[in-house]
Amino acid sequence: DAKTTQPNSMESNEEEPVHLPCNHSTISGTDYIHWYRQLPSQGPEYVIHGLTSNVNNRMASLAIAEDRKSSTLILHRATLRDAAVYYCILRDGNQGGKLIFGQGTELSVKP
Amino acid sequence: EAQVTQNPRYLITVTGKKLTVTCSQNMNHEYMSWYRQDPGLGLRQIYYSMNVEVTDKGDVPEGYKVSRKEKRNFPLILESPSPNQTSLYFCASSPFSPSSYNEQFFGPGTRLTVL
Repeated sequence: DAKTTQPNSMESNEEEPVHLPCNHSTISGTDYIHWYRQLPSQGPEYVIHGLTSNVNNRMASLAIAEDRKSSTLILHRATLRDAAVYYCILRDGNQGGKLIFGQGTELSVKP
Repeated sequence: EAQVTQNPRYLITVTGKKLTVTCSQNMNHEYMSWYRQDPGLGLRQIYYSMNVEVTDKGDVPEGYKVSRKEKRNFPLILESPSPNQTSLYFCASSPFSPSSYNEQFFGPGTRLTVL
C-alpha cells in the first residue's frame, strides 16, 4: 500500500499563508489525494482532494506535483480556527476506497 | 441534518465483556468505515464496507467484528475486549464510486476504556 509522509508539526502566524507538505512517493495511478483536518476533540473533516491537477475550494488549495509523488495543502490566510492536525490521505479506487492515513501535521497558529 | 451518529460516546468496560458501538448515517451512503485513533499513531482503519453485506478488513482488524445488514447502520463489535483496545473510535461514511473522490463524513467519536 502506498504511504504518506508529513512533518509532525508546523507553526504559522495568523493571516499568513501556510504550506503543508505531503510526500507519497509510491502513489499509484488510481490513488486520489485527500486532505482532512481534525480540530481538538472532534472527528476529522474533509478539506480538499485531487488526482492530478491543482484544486481550489473555499477552504484551501491543493498543489500536486507533476510526478504526483508529493502534494502541498495551501491555506491562504491562516486563522486561529485553522489550528488542527492535518492529514494527507491516499484513497485507492481499486481497493474499494481504502484509506491510508499519514501521521498528520499538527498546525499551530500564533496570533 | 445530514450526520453520522455514534453511541455510546463514552464507555468504560472490563476485559472480556462483549460490547457493541453503534454507527448510523442518514445520508444513504454506500461506504462506511471504522477507525481507531491512538496517540502518536494517527487514525488507522479497522474495517470498511462498500455496501450492504459487503465488508472488508482495514489495517488493524484483529479483535473486531462488523456487520452491515442495513445501509444506514455499521456496528463495531468487540467480542472480548482487551486493554489494548482502549482508544478513540470514529465511524465514517461516504457515497461510493470507483473513482474514490468522495468526501467522508465522520462521526463525533467514541472514547472506549477497557480495564
